[in-house]
Amino acid sequence: DAKTTQPTSMDCAEGRAANLPCNHSTISGNEYVYWYRQIHSQGPQYIIHGLKNNETNEMASLIITEDRKSSTLILPHATLRDTAVYYCIVRVAESGGSNYKLTFGKGTLLTVNP
Amino acid sequence: SAVISQKPSRDICQRGTSLTIQCQVDSQVTMMFWYRQQPGQSLTLIATANQGSEATYESGFVIDKFPISRPNLTFSTLTVSNMSPEDSSIYLCSVVDSNYGYTFGSGTRLTVV
Repeated sequence: DAKTTQPTSMDCAEGRAANLPCNHSTISGNEYVYWYRQIHSQGPQYIIHGLKNNETNEMASLIITEDRKSSTLILPHATLRDTAVYYCIVRVAESGGSNYKLTFGKGTLLTVNP
Repeated sequence: SAVISQKPSRDICQRGTSLTIQCQVDSQVTMMFWYRQQPGQSLTLIATANQGSEATYESGFVIDKFPISRPNLTFSTLTVSNMSPEDSSIYLCSVVDSNYGYTFGSGTRLTVV
């Protein structure tokens, strides 16, 4: 899997949008971008994923640049419960063998402040 | 998404002993994984639990230390053998969920004293 680079930490005010960047400059054409988060003392939770188009679900939006070398996860109205470590991961789209593995980096600790 | 029940949620164990962690999924899944998260660190993949065959271990992890069973498509166990304080970590199981990518259990927090 390609490597990703994320800021170590970010702060956000409650009610504001949180924009979490991720660089994946060596991403291949067949690799998806996945976002997970881990709230303290819990297992990672799936947020969203995408290949090249922007994606939106009930939790967040994912904006992928046209060259796919970076992406931004947007939490539109951050709450205190969104305080967590956010992981950006790239993984090949094809199934089988080692393609199923998720490789976690250090992620971004997002702290939402009241 | 799949629902994972992981047991125990936490344990304190004496060095030299072994602990078996169970992972039960509410649906049949092909791929199950075991991860370790050392204090203050990110997740590291230990192995892929294969149904009907031996687990596939990542570099740095061996079967003698972390034996894994996968008797069917909904259940797996990970044993941490001959424990030392360095094994104190959170251990998590994960499954491939076709709708959501991957689902993780809530983890087992192990402290070795």
